[in-house]
Amino acid sequence: DVQMTQSPSSLSASVGDRVTITCRASQGMSNSVAWYQQKPGKVPTLLIYDASTLHSGVPSRFSGRASGTDFTLTISSLQPEDVATYYCQKYNSSPPGYSFGQGTKLEIK
Amino acid sequence: EVQLLESGGGLVQPGGSLRLSCATSGFTFSTYGMSWVRQAPGKGLEWVAGIGGGLDYTADYAESVRGRFTVSRDNPKNRLYLQMNNLGADDTAVYYCAKGYRVAVLRDYYDHWGQGTLVLVSS
Repeated sequence: DVQMTQSPSSLSASVGDRVTITCRASQGMSNSVAWYQQKPGKVPTLLIYDASTLHSGVPSRFSGRASGTDFTLTISSLQPEDVATYYCQKYNSSPPGYSFGQGTKLEIK
Repeated sequence: EVQLLESGGGLVQPGGSLRLSCATSGFTFSTYGMSWVRQAPGKGLEWVAGIGGGLDYTADYAESVRGRFTVSRDNPKNRLYLQMNNLGADDTAVYYCAKGYRVAVLRDYYDHWGQGTLVLVSS
């Protein structure tokens, strides 16, 4: 079973900074990785799927990339409204357990 | 507009049972895989169970709930259910209903989520 390890668990950055969050798979896998944003007190929303495809309506400052077993979510220029916890998720896999990463809490300095 | 609305949560004693329901609208419910995802207070997301759509209504479960929880769907009523038995303190969480993005895919990513229903297991 492929395990996803997400890092860092928390992150503080300044407005305008470039921010990168990583999920590392325990073994090689397809690009079946999605990223979600969960703002405080809100429901998760889909940002990216298939590792790098931006979901409809998501600002272009968000991007995703796959490189080997590493999957990254990048915010090119951090905005105040990006304060949230971000989760990666693997899908299309068997068994389906442990499909979400542990989460990264992003705060503004 | 896609809408998902969970109900059925509440306070239950350890060892008890609850049945969650998710009422849906705004899409062809029968064709999409659906899942339940939970979030314990202050914790991350945990996928719990899912059921396929289209022609294959296979169910999947997380190891932590297999044998205790049963996911089902009523396509004519556009409803998703989660029967939860032998509940323990570790099952305390907000339970979200989530819609798969792709038609007839079980292990999918989710483009719509309900607002969640809180299950509190306590004596």
